[in-house]
Amino acid sequence: EAGVTQFPSHSVIEKGQTVTLRCDPISGHDNLYWYRRVMGKEIKFLLHFVKESKQDESGMPNNRFLAERTGGTYSTLKVQPAELEDSGVYFCASSQASYNEQFFGPGTRLTVL
Amino acid sequence: KNQVEQSPQSLIILEGKNCTLQCNYTVSPFSNLRWYKQDTGRGPVSLTIMTFSENTKSNGRYTATLDADTKQSSLHITASQLSDSASYICVVTFSGGYNKLIFGAGTRLAVHP
Repeated sequence: EAGVTQFPSHSVIEKGQTVTLRCDPISGHDNLYWYRRVMGKEIKFLLHFVKESKQDESGMPNNRFLAERTGGTYSTLKVQPAELEDSGVYFCASSQASYNEQFFGPGTRLTVL
Repeated sequence: KNQVEQSPQSLIILEGKNCTLQCNYTVSPFSNLRWYKQDTGRGPVSLTIMTFSENTKSNGRYTATLDADTKQSSLHITASQLSDSASYICVVTFSGGYNKLIFGAGTRLAVHP
């Protein structure tokens, strides 16, 4: 069974540009989470989908970040326009139920120059 | 404030030696505590999970302990191997609303031959 996959693995963009990150959860997992780790800091929660609905988006830093999960399958996280402080590693995780173990993807390393 | 603190930040040991990593948390209420291993360029992978009523859990050469009274946990690695080189992250599930993972910054372990 395939694990959580993320694309791209790396992205380098200039300040002001737009980037879209994609996450494909484990098949059958209704719960999908986005996390971020900025340099030298701990991983922090961004938001949580249950199927296509946003259950909790309290961790989203500002309105430059937009997450979608149309159809309740894969999810995208768009950053527009990107700022220098958005650089970091963005992780996606999925679980069957919210109380089950979350399985993490390998992350997307975003560098904003 | 819900926080997870880990020590040491980094650790170097020789192959075959044992080591113990520490985690202190102030998360309340919490439902469980997990230790994750994160290899470079990969997502975190769960090693152990303990609820507040458990005080020890083993997974091969990894043994985690939990003292819910003092809000401390430790991860003991026995007979270390080169493949144990990774970051070890303590994660506490905050159960005060939607179950939310609160991450420590991790301990970076290097095992040298």
